[in-house]
Amino acid sequence: GDSVTQMEGPVTLSEEAFLTINCTYTATGYPSLFWYVQYPGEGLQLLLKATKADDKGSNKGFEATYRKETTSFHLEKGSVQVSDSAVYFCALRKDTGFQKLVFGTGTRLLVSP
Amino acid sequence: NAGVTQTPKFRVLKTGQSMTLLCAQDMNHEYMYWYRQDPGMGLRLIHYSVGEGTTAKGEVPDGYNVSRLKKQNFLLGLESAAPSQTSVYFCASSYGRVMQETQYFGPGTRLLVL
Repeated sequence: GDSVTQMEGPVTLSEEAFLTINCTYTATGYPSLFWYVQYPGEGLQLLLKATKADDKGSNKGFEATYRKETTSFHLEKGSVQVSDSAVYFCALRKDTGFQKLVFGTGTRLLVSP
Repeated sequence: NAGVTQTPKFRVLKTGQSMTLLCAQDMNHEYMYWYRQDPGMGLRLIHYSVGEGTTAKGEVPDGYNVSRLKKQNFLLGLESAAPSQTSVYFCASSYGRVMQETQYFGPGTRLLVL
């Protein structure tokens, strides 16, 4: 079945450090890929998305590129802030039939001043 | 717009008790979903609805029932709560008709079953 694998956390960084959170997927066909972020005590929010190979999603300084050849969608940010501390979820959605989201297990990011 | 709201925010139940979680959205979305979030397991889909009066099972439906009597509301019921149902429950909604759209999540309900 379809699945998403994320790097285990927590990822601990100092402010202004470079961030990479790895995400790989297994799916048939051509899924859409998403990164969601969950801030403490809140629900998930869509951070960025990409719907086809080589698309780059970007938002709030975060970027991720849909790499079909490596089945990956790694999240990057050049300079993290304390306010970026959150849990990040990678997800895929098959765009046929029911639009079910398949989530990874989440990666906690902790940014210290 | 309030977006997606959930009631209650937190609840403690004893084994065997029943309760209903309420999800409401004011975005006129067709599709609504209930997920549970457990440590190390990400989010798993419990039930979903593709329109008023319709419901369907997701990945982990056992022990739960749902109803969608009004388009804006999606109720999740636990008839006889078990400790294994201790979790954080998230409701989400989406337009559902347009390809490549996104789901909007509520703030969650934390449930503890003793």
